[in-house]
Amino acid sequence: GAVVSQHPSWVICKSGTSVKIECRSLDFQATTMFWYRQFPKQSLMLMATSNEGSKATYEQGVEKDKFLINHASLTLSTLTVTSAHPEDSSFYICSARGGQETGELFFGEGSRLTVL
Amino acid sequence: GQNIDQPTEMTATEGAIVQINCTYQTSGFNGLFWYQQHAGEAPTFLSYNVLDGLEEKGRFSSFLSRSKGYSYLLLKELQMKDSASYLCAAIDSNYQLIWGAGTKLIIKP
Repeated sequence: GAVVSQHPSWVICKSGTSVKIECRSLDFQATTMFWYRQFPKQSLMLMATSNEGSKATYEQGVEKDKFLINHASLTLSTLTVTSAHPEDSSFYICSARGGQETGELFFGEGSRLTVL
Repeated sequence: GQNIDQPTEMTATEGAIVQINCTYQTSGFNGLFWYQQHAGEAPTFLSYNVLDGLEEKGRFSSFLSRSKGYSYLLLKELQMKDSASYLCAAIDSNYQLIWGAGTKLIIKP
């Protein structure tokens, strides 16, 4: 099946620094990518939807200046957590969907961010 | 509003059968997904239903009734590795996914 690769799997950073997480679709072109955040023992929370070549659509309550999303190509989207703080520590997961509107979502492996 | 309901937690015995229910209310409907998620890992795809009826895939089956806004995931011959959270997600008329909070399934020997 289709593969979505997410990198890095684990990242530890100091408060105030910025962290970039990459999400790549390896064998298909992802017209739409989604970024989720998940706290322990809680369900996925959609942060934003990004379409290739256009600005991301952020969910209510998600700071677009803090969580920068770029979807410059059909195979790569990036999430940058700017000026990270301990409360940003979470599990960030990306998913990608191909051209079919009702196609399956393929998930990346997730990235565990710990901000000290 | 749009809403997905599924039980928070269920417990079952190894070797048994368990059914996880999901009811949904969405603006339009374009199908329903079931995903499995182990703690600390990303979700993995289990099934997709858009037509009424039962879809069987090995030990897992998924059922959909569009008129009732209802789906279930049936797991047979339960194994310890099936202990996980099971997420139900419906696709609305804008092709956006509406996620349930997930059902934590605990398998006991």
